[in-house]
Amino acid sequence: DAGVIQSPRHEVTEMGQEVTLRCKPISGHDYLFWYRQTMMRGLELLIYFNNNVPIDDSGMPEDRFSAKMPNASFSTLKIQPSEPRDSAVYFCASRGLAKNIQYFGAGTRLSVL
Amino acid sequence: QQPVQSPQAVILREGEDAVINCSSSKALYSVHWYRQKHGEAPIFLMILLKGGEQKGHDKISASFNEKKQQSSLYLTASQLSYSGTYFCGTEGISGGYNKLIFGAGTRLAVHP
Repeated sequence: DAGVIQSPRHEVTEMGQEVTLRCKPISGHDYLFWYRQTMMRGLELLIYFNNNVPIDDSGMPEDRFSAKMPNASFSTLKIQPSEPRDSAVYFCASRGLAKNIQYFGAGTRLSVL
Repeated sequence: QQPVQSPQAVILREGEDAVINCSSSKALYSVHWYRQKHGEAPIFLMILLKGGEQKGHDKISASFNEKKQQSSLYLTASQLSYSGTYFCGTEGISGGYNKLIFGAGTRLAVHP
């Protein structure tokens, strides 16, 4: 299996621009998680989905952030408008129902100038 | 609430042992341990479920004391490849199933 695939790996954008991060979970996994990692705040859960339905979005920092999962093999995390404080590494992870293990993608390093 | 990890950082010589602790103020269903190398994704090490079990993999083992809501990760005869940041992720019993809350991490450096 290819594992969790995230794109792009690096994103550099200017303040005010829209940013879209993409994630393809492991085939057959029915949970998908979006995390943000910074030196100051560590690894934070932003939102997670079960069977494409958002279950808990309490970690989404503000309305500028939105996430969708239109089907079982694709999810997006969008930031509009982006701000310098959004600079971080964003990870996507997925897990199956039977095994309670989350597998992480390689991450997207976002820099907002 | 974020679990508390200790120590924040450890420096070892190859072959030495280390213990990393993870403590939560909430009742836990499970504790997950991950290792992350610089610039890479966190990699799953092991999971401990409610029941106070102890697991091991090669020279890395862990325990879970559900009464104290604490878990410890034991690294014995450390190798250079053990270097990285270790995170515990906790899954709560009430209102927290399926999602992990990660500690701030413990940085481990193993030198020759």
